Amino acid sequence: SQQGEEDPQALSIQEGENATMNCSYKTSINNLQWYRQNSGRGLVHLILIRSNEREKHSGRLRVTLDTSKKSSSLLITASRAADTASYFCATDERSNTGKLIFGQGTTLQVKP
Amino acid sequence: EAQVTQNPRYLITVTGKKLTVTCSQNMNHEYMSWYRQDPGLGLRQIYYSMNVEVTDKGDVPEGYKVSRKEKRNFPLILESPSPNQTSLYFCASSSPIAGVHEQYFGPGTRLTVT
Repeated sequence: SQQGEEDPQALSIQEGENATMNCSYKTSINNLQWYRQNSGRGLVHLILIRSNEREKHSGRLRVTLDTSKKSSSLLITASRAADTASYFCATDERSNTGKLIFGQGTTLQVKP
Repeated sequence: EAQVTQNPRYLITVTGKKLTVTCSQNMNHEYMSWYRQDPGLGLRQIYYSMNVEVTDKGDVPEGYKVSRKEKRNFPLILESPSPNQTSLYFCASSSPIAGVHEQYFGPGTRLTVT
């Protein structure tokens, strides 16, 4: 089952602009994670936000979480061509089994 | 270097010919998992293992088998591959820190079944 639904599916921006991606989920969670995937490669963990947190920053990344709306957003500021990738949110479904449920991802293209 | 390795990276095979995709991690992680990634469907979990000799089905286990005889290895077995198993496969591992599983992914195995 797909827990996370991401929006938009694809995003194209110019270098230097900000990129915002949204993720919605269905069940209660302990935490929500964002991963990045360069074309055809493995996913790399970017940032995690716990269910009792509302906002978190890491470098040019800003993540927000609204548990009442069951949604999260990832903001990449001052984007670079190297940010071109697919971005996935993943939730843990409060299972404590380690299982993550991934959204379908947002494909970001940053034009130089 | 901490990593998850998969082999082979690319495989073209024919329907019905048994194959194994290996996965190994060097981080002493308890949890390992297999996913398949298909266009428009995202990543779907096939099987996971919470420790040695403990495995369980994910969301799309049909047509696959796994084993976890050693902590570091988690092979994915396709006993009789079919064309609908053509996909990009990822192995991942994690170990909980304060209840959080940050997963480390392998580089992927692109499988084509003709």
